[in-house]
Amino acid sequence: NAGVMQNPRHLVRRRGQEARLRCSPMKGHSHVYWYRQLPEEGLKFMVYLQKENIIDESGMPKERFSAEFPKEGPSILRIQQVVRGDSAAYFCASSPRGTPTNEKLFFGSGTQLSVL
Amino acid sequence: SQKIEQNSEALNIQEGKTATLTCNYTNYSPAYLQWYRQDPGRGPVFLLLIRENEKEKRKERLKVTFDTTLKQSLFHITASQPADSATYLCALDGGYSTLTFGKGTMLLVSP
Repeated sequence: NAGVMQNPRHLVRRRGQEARLRCSPMKGHSHVYWYRQLPEEGLKFMVYLQKENIIDESGMPKERFSAEFPKEGPSILRIQQVVRGDSAAYFCASSPRGTPTNEKLFFGSGTQLSVL
Repeated sequence: SQKIEQNSEALNIQEGKTATLTCNYTNYSPAYLQWYRQDPGRGPVFLLLIRENEKEKRKERLKVTFDTTLKQSLFHITASQPADSATYLCALDGGYSTLTFGKGTMLLVSP
């Protein structure tokens, strides 16, 4: 019974390149959340998706960032034209229902993005 | 503005003692509050959830209290062990669909 799977674990990009982070939720979970964690900072909510729908993207920067959760396959967080400030750990979490405040979230091990 | 505050300084205690971590919040009215554990290089792991109408919740050596008047939650680990060393995060309603996290407090349990 695999947990939330994120890959890659580490991703190195040069400024201006694109970064694609993948997340496969736990089996049976159709709700996915992306968080970003900077050193000495807390987890910051970015986006909440259900299959084929973005439910809440209020934490997502308006430019260069996008997310999707297609009918088939993993959820993808895409960062275009990366800058050094994008360097962070990106965590994906999933839940069976879309009520993250009153049920637990299951987190993956994260993708550490380093921008050179 | 809304804030979730956890002690930024690490808490150092000796094995066998009780660790108490604090989570204070401002300008939130959470119906639920959650605690997670995070180890270096790993994602957070859920520990406990407490509802606004619950004063206290227990799970094995863990105990959480929730005081909506003081706007505070306390997280206790009794008979602490070195394996309990980690960062502990509190989280609560951040909006209709989001869980908002505090920055966490690092706990170090020495043998």
